[in-house]
Amino acid sequence: GAVVSQHPSRVICKSGTSVKIECRSLDFQATTMFWYRQFPKQSLMLMATSNEGSKATYEQGVEKDKFLINHASLTLSTLTVTSAHPEDSSFYICSARDLGASTDTQYFGPGTRLTVL
Amino acid sequence: GQNIDQPTEMTATEGAIVQINCTYQTSGFNGLFWYQQHAGEAPTFLSYNVLDGLEEKGRFSSFLSRSKGYSYLLLKELQMKDSASYLCAVRSGGSYIPTFGRGTSLIVHP
Repeated sequence: GAVVSQHPSRVICKSGTSVKIECRSLDFQATTMFWYRQFPKQSLMLMATSNEGSKATYEQGVEKDKFLINHASLTLSTLTVTSAHPEDSSFYICSARDLGASTDTQYFGPGTRLTVL
Repeated sequence: GQNIDQPTEMTATEGAIVQINCTYQTSGFNGLFWYQQHAGEAPTFLSYNVLDGLEEKGRFSSFLSRSKGYSYLLLKELQMKDSASYLCAVRSGGSYIPTFGRGTSLIVHP
């Protein structure tokens, strides 16, 4: 199946700093990528849809100025958590849409565990 | 919106069979996914159903009944490594993006 990588896998930062998370599709081109957040024992919550070459579409309640998304190429999307606070600590997961797959499904990256002190 | 319901937790014995149910209420149903997620890891794709019936893939099978808004994931010959959370996700309307249920935490014990 398709492979999606995410970097870093784990980050600890001080409150008020910004953190950038990268999501890459390794063996396919992804015009659309998705960013999710997952709190412990909760389901995946879609934050935003990242479209190559255009602005991201944010879900209701997600601050676009706090969670900056850039999808500069067909294989890379980045999520920057600006001025992070302890309540932003969570598991952030990206996924990419593989149009070439038989079921037009999305493949997930391994996730980034963010801890804000 | 969508309403997806799955049991929070299930336990089973190694070597046994377990069935994880998922019920949903939605308009314009357009596919149901099952994902497996181990603790601290991202979900991995297991199955996709868009038509009624049973899809079998090795030890895992998934069933769908659109009229009942119901699906189940069947795991046979359980192994310890099957201990994980199983997420049901439903796609509806014109959206490509599925909505995820809270997941069922499966604990397999010896």
